[in-house]
Amino acid sequence: EVQLVESGGGLVQPGGSLRLSCAASGFTFSSYEMNWVRQGPGKGLEWVSYISSGGSTTFYADSVKGRFTISRDNAKNSLYLQMNSLRAEDTAVYYCAREALVDGHSDYWGQGTLVTVSS
Amino acid sequence: QVVLTQSPSASASLGASVKLTCTLSSGHSTYTIAWHQKQPERGPRFLMKLNSDGSHNKGDGIPDRFSGSTSGAERYLTISSLQSEDEADYYCQTWYTGTRVFGGGTKLTVL
Repeated sequence: EVQLVESGGGLVQPGGSLRLSCAASGFTFSSYEMNWVRQGPGKGLEWVSYISSGGSTTFYADSVKGRFTISRDNAKNSLYLQMNSLRAEDTAVYYCAREALVDGHSDYWGQGTLVTVSS
Repeated sequence: QVVLTQSPSASASLGASVKLTCTLSSGHSTYTIAWHQKQPERGPRFLMKLNSDGSHNKGDGIPDRFSGSTSGAERYLTISSLQSEDEADYYCQTWYTGTRVFGGGTKLTVL
């Protein structure tokens, strides 16, 4: 069974940093591209970042470019999101999502971890 | 830049059918999309991938009540025999090099 379990969320002050983790199991993690997607309070889903299966290629939404860094450790079956210079508008539930082998849609999602940026 | 447009809300009665629409922006009518369901307090759930020719591939365990179809730049998600647990937000998604895009979502109310 495919499982994605996010952790690392919490309350952080504006300008602060946080590192999210996503533990993957039930599939060959190193074969799959991965994404982070977030949902702010009362808002829709927003794509945040992408990483290739080997980790050499990354993409970011303009809203987080230069502040967030996506990475992965295939030996640990883990995906990460380092978030720096956090802003109130980054407050959201953050989901990790596996990308299908064929095409770029997400085919499995985690349950999410809440990040609250507030003083 | 691809934009996906969805109506903010829809409603239908228990046991009835409903058709949700996702419209691709001009010049992008051949794009494949995916449909996802988002229930409160739960992670999103992949429903299906929907191609421009109307063919679709559903996710694991998705009931036959969920189906997809296409007309030009419009991508549809039809849910038949509506159940109370179908009340949720539904999002379409597409992708191209360097980015993934979500529509604004449709909140489905089951009456």
